[in-house]
Amino acid sequence: EAQVTQNPRYLITVTGKKLTVTCSQNMNHEYMSWYRQDPGLGLRQIYYSMNVEVTDKGDVPEGYKVSRKEKRNFPLILESPSPNQTSLYFCASRRGLAGYTGELFFGEGSRLTVL
Amino acid sequence: AQSVTQPDIHITVSEGASLELRCNYSYGATPYLFWYVQSPGQGLQLLLKYFSGDTLVQGIKGFEAEFKRSQSSFNLRKPSVHWSDAAEYFCAVVTNNDMRFGAGTRLTVKP
Repeated sequence: EAQVTQNPRYLITVTGKKLTVTCSQNMNHEYMSWYRQDPGLGLRQIYYSMNVEVTDKGDVPEGYKVSRKEKRNFPLILESPSPNQTSLYFCASRRGLAGYTGELFFGEGSRLTVL
Repeated sequence: AQSVTQPDIHITVSEGASLELRCNYSYGATPYLFWYVQSPGQGLQLLLKYFSGDTLVQGIKGFEAEFKRSQSSFNLRKPSVHWSDAAEYFCAVVTNNDMRFGAGTRLTVKP
């Protein structure tokens, strides 16, 4: 089954304790992206990756890091989480320019609470 | 800057009634437009998309949307709403290969 898998789905942590949210897709997609969803703000892009070893900032990158060492994985790293990073996070992927349709495929989301 | 506006934060309709969710975009060229639905506790699922051609597009679950260039709109419609349609709906536009989302419209369905 084609899917984007995120882990953990739920996490409560404390300020300053480093954490990683993993994301993996099995569709051989070149493009992957992270979004955060906050009430009244919709989804805002944090970082995206056009392909392996190619990453770039989205609209709200502060406080986050990413890496793309393999095509299927795109982890989101919070080096020193703060309460304003409490949010619902989504990973998404899509095809690259070859066969481009624009459609994003989303994971089920990771709800993060930072105390 | 490119943007997507969903003017209605929350809409309540009765089951069986018709539905229209509004979406306006700001983008110079012909955009790629999407509607996604998010059920509680779930990720986003694609309802329909518009790239070019026929301005009335059909999607899953009985939804349709109409692209109106003159009004910069891409409104989502359904003739008869079911209780299972209660969810949050997001309009999105692809610009420079990145997808930008509206703030979402939460749909409540009354029995």
